[in-house]
Amino acid sequence: EVQLVESGGALVQPGGSLRLSCAASRFTFSTYWMSWVRQAPGKGLEWVANIKQDGSEKYYLDSVKGRFTISRDNAKNSLYLQMNSLRAEDTAVYYCARGIDSDCWGQGTLVTVSS
Amino acid sequence: DIQMTQSPSSLSASVGDRVTITCRASQGISNYLAWFQHKPGKAPKSLIYAASSLQGGVPSKFSGSGSGTDFTLTISSLQPEDFATYYCQQYKSYPWTFGQGTKVEIK
Repeated sequence: EVQLVESGGALVQPGGSLRLSCAASRFTFSTYWMSWVRQAPGKGLEWVANIKQDGSEKYYLDSVKGRFTISRDNAKNSLYLQMNSLRAEDTAVYYCARGIDSDCWGQGTLVTVSS
Repeated sequence: DIQMTQSPSSLSASVGDRVTITCRASQGISNYLAWFQHKPGKAPKSLIYAASSLQGGVPSKFSGSGSGTDFTLTISSLQPEDFATYYCQQYKSYPWTFGQGTKVEIK
C-alpha cells in the first residue's frame, strides 16, 4: 500500500525556521508530482506548494513565496518543505500529497508558530 | 485566483439518505476538479478526480459530475462512515484552490 509519512513539525517562534519531510514508499516516487497542503486550526484545506517529478518546476501559494521552498530527493524517496520567516498564520497541520490529482495523502505533521 | 464555492456549508442527513454537494468555480476549469473526504485527525481521502472519475478503491456510492464552472458530488446512500467534511479542489491553474468544505452530520 502506498505510504506517505510526514515529519518535522514542531513549536517554533515567529521568525523561526523549520524543515518538513515526507517519506514516500511503495510507489515509484520519481514519477509523480508532489504537493504540500495545510489545514490551520478550525479552517479548511489550503494548497501550499508543489513540485514536478524532476524538480524543474515549482509553484507556491502567494503568501509563502520567498519564505518557503519545496524540494525533493528522488534517490531518497523524500519530499521537503523548508519554511523560513514563519508567522503565526502558518500554524497548521501540513500534509504531503501525491500526484496532480492528490490521490494519496499522509497523516500530517503539526507546525505551531507561537512565542 | 479561481474561487471555489461549495454549498451547503453543512448539512444534516440520515443513514440511507441521498446527499448532493455542489461546487462552483469563479471561472471555467474544464474538468480539473477533485473531491476529498476529510475526517478529524485523519489523512484526507481522494474520492473523485477529473470531475467524475472514481479513485481506485472508492465505493461506487460516490459519484461526481459537471464541467466548466458547476460540479456536484453525490453520495447515493449515506452510511455512518460517510459522516465527514467534503472538499472540492480545482487544479486547472495556480494557485490550486479548495472550496470551504461541506460538513455532513448525522440527523
